[in-house]
Amino acid sequence: DAGVTQSPTHLIKTRGQQVTLRCSPKSGHDTVSWYQQALGQGPQFIFQYYEEEERQRGNFPDRFSGHQFPNYSSELNVNALLLGDSALYLCASSNNRASGNTIYFGEGSWLTVV
Amino acid sequence: AQKITQTQPGMFVQEKEAVTLDCTYDTSDPSYGLFWYKQPSSGEMIFLIYQGSYDQQNATEGRYSLNFQKARKSANLVISASQLGDSAMYFCAMREIYFGNEKLTFGTGTRLTIIP
Repeated sequence: DAGVTQSPTHLIKTRGQQVTLRCSPKSGHDTVSWYQQALGQGPQFIFQYYEEEERQRGNFPDRFSGHQFPNYSSELNVNALLLGDSALYLCASSNNRASGNTIYFGEGSWLTVV
Repeated sequence: AQKITQTQPGMFVQEKEAVTLDCTYDTSDPSYGLFWYKQPSSGEMIFLIYQGSYDQQNATEGRYSLNFQKARKSANLVISASQLGDSAMYFCAMREIYFGNEKLTFGTGTRLTIIP
């Protein structure tokens, strides 16, 4: 049973560029959320996707956008990259229809903006 | 607004000893869930244990147990017989439970170091 998988694991981008991160949820899960974790801090919620729609959003600018596909996988897009976007980006998945459902995370994508 | 507080930035514990990591939370919602995650230096956030606000008994998962004191709004993680592989960052997180909400609010974490 594959867990949450993310790609790429590491990447370096230049300020002003755009980046796309990808996530495949754990088998049986239908909901994907994205988190940003800056160095030395706890993860911060970016947004959540369910049934191919953005359902919740944290305090992040519109430069951060996403998508969920019919197979439940998801992408996180960040435009006009800033140095402050350098962080670990974590994808989490869960089964929205299960009570007391556990939320599982992937290994993350390390983004460095130079 | 939800808030999670972890007051121990770092802890050093002798191998094979038990360790308690503190977590207090604040929410006005009667229905919520509390999570503990382990994050090694590789970055992966590993699920350890979950406690629902209406669960009657404290959650246990192998060497991990959650000391849930609802009136005090605390959800401390207890690791029994610590091992060198337990060295990592540990995060407490909370989710208010209502349909469609999957947002977790995290604390600042505790760095645990196990000493041989």
